[in-house]
Formats: sequence, structure tokens, C-alpha cells
Amino acid sequence: NAGVMQNPRHLVRRRGQEARLRCSPMKGHSHVYWYRQLPEEGLKFMVYLQKENIIDESGMPKERFSAEFPKEGPSILRIQQVVRGDSAAYFCASSPPSGTGPYNEQFFGPGTRLTVL
Amino acid sequence: GESVGLHLPTLSVQEGDNSIINCAYSNSASDYFIWYKQESGKGPQFIIDIRSNMDKRQGQRVTVLLNKTVKHLSLQIAATQPGDSAVYFCAENSIFSGTYKYIFGTGTRLKVLA
Repeated sequence: NAGVMQNPRHLVRRRGQEARLRCSPMKGHSHVYWYRQLPEEGLKFMVYLQKENIIDESGMPKERFSAEFPKEGPSILRIQQVVRGDSAAYFCASSPPSGTGPYNEQFFGPGTRLTVL
Repeated sequence: GESVGLHLPTLSVQEGDNSIINCAYSNSASDYFIWYKQESGKGPQFIIDIRSNMDKRQGQRVTVLLNKTVKHLSLQIAATQPGDSAVYFCAENSIFSGTYKYIFGTGTRLKVLA
């Protein structure tokens, strides 16, 4: 059973370009979470999605950032018109459908390291 | 201690000794806590969890202690090994606005000295 998969592992963009980060949850998992990690810091929650629904996007910047989790295919975190401050590691986690309460273990992917030049 | 700057607090431990990593959490309403290990260039890896109705839980070589009175969590690693070198994060699962999400602490870097 493959774990959470993310691609690309490393992404380099110039200021003003778009970045698309993909996350395939573990098999059978229908809940996806995105987190951002700056160097030497902890992970910061961005958004929580279920299939075709955004459940909580309270950690998402109001502009330029969007996320989706379609019925088919991976979850996508999209950053438009990237700026240097967007450089960070972006982690995706997934949990099973039974994890709707507080005791849901989240399984993390290896992350995408975004560098904005 | 807790990090307030750009650099993670570091704990250096001799191989074979026990390690204790501490974490202060923020929300008194949090009811689930997790410790993660993160090695360089990798995603967080689950170590052990504890629910708020417990004050201690043991795993293989690891023990988590929860003190809800002072909102404090600790991770004890017995007989620390070189492979334990990593950054350790505590996370609390808090309900905000009806949804659940993890709130991560700032992390502690564990260095195991040979």
C-alpha cells in the first residue's frame, strides 16, 4: 500500500509564474490536508479538503492560493503569480473517511520544495 | 525551551542515554496530541499519539506524557540511537469552527552524539 505521494518533489519557479503541486492520498483515504513549512519552523495548516469539497481553508492566503480535490485524480494546490515569500516546503497529509473526529491520524507525504527565484 | 526565533532549539544527547523533548500546546480544548519525527528532506513521520483522557502512553522505546493542567506534552526516548537524530514536532488536534486540523509546535532538533 503506497503512502501519500506528492509531485514534483522539487519545483523552481520565477516570480510571477504559477506553481501546481499535486498530492495523491493513501488508498482509501478521502480527506486531504495541505501544510506549509518554512525553514526551521513547524508546519502551518493551510486547507482541509474532502472529495469535491473544501472543508476548511482558514489557513490559506486570501489571494493567489487555491486548492481542489476532484472526484477523480490528485489534490492540487495552486499558487498563482508566485513571489519569493512563497518559497517553502509544502506537505500534504491524508486520513481515512472514518477520521471525522479528533482522533484521526494524518499520514504525511514527502513534500514539495518550492523555490521562487 | 520554546523557540521564539528562526532557529530550532537543539537537544544533544549521548548515544544510549534517554532523551526528553518538551512541548507546550496552545488550546486547552485540544483533545488529541501527536508526536512526529522529521528527518532532513522528508515528511513528518508518526511516532506516538495520546488522547486527552490519558496522561501517559508507551510505545516501543518512546513514552508520551500529557499534563493538561499546564498544557504540557513530553516525549521520552529510551536508549537514544543515532537513527533518532531528527527534528521532533508535537501537534495538537483542535476543533476550530467545527473542523479538525493539526496545530504544530515549533519543533526541537535532537542530535545524538556517538
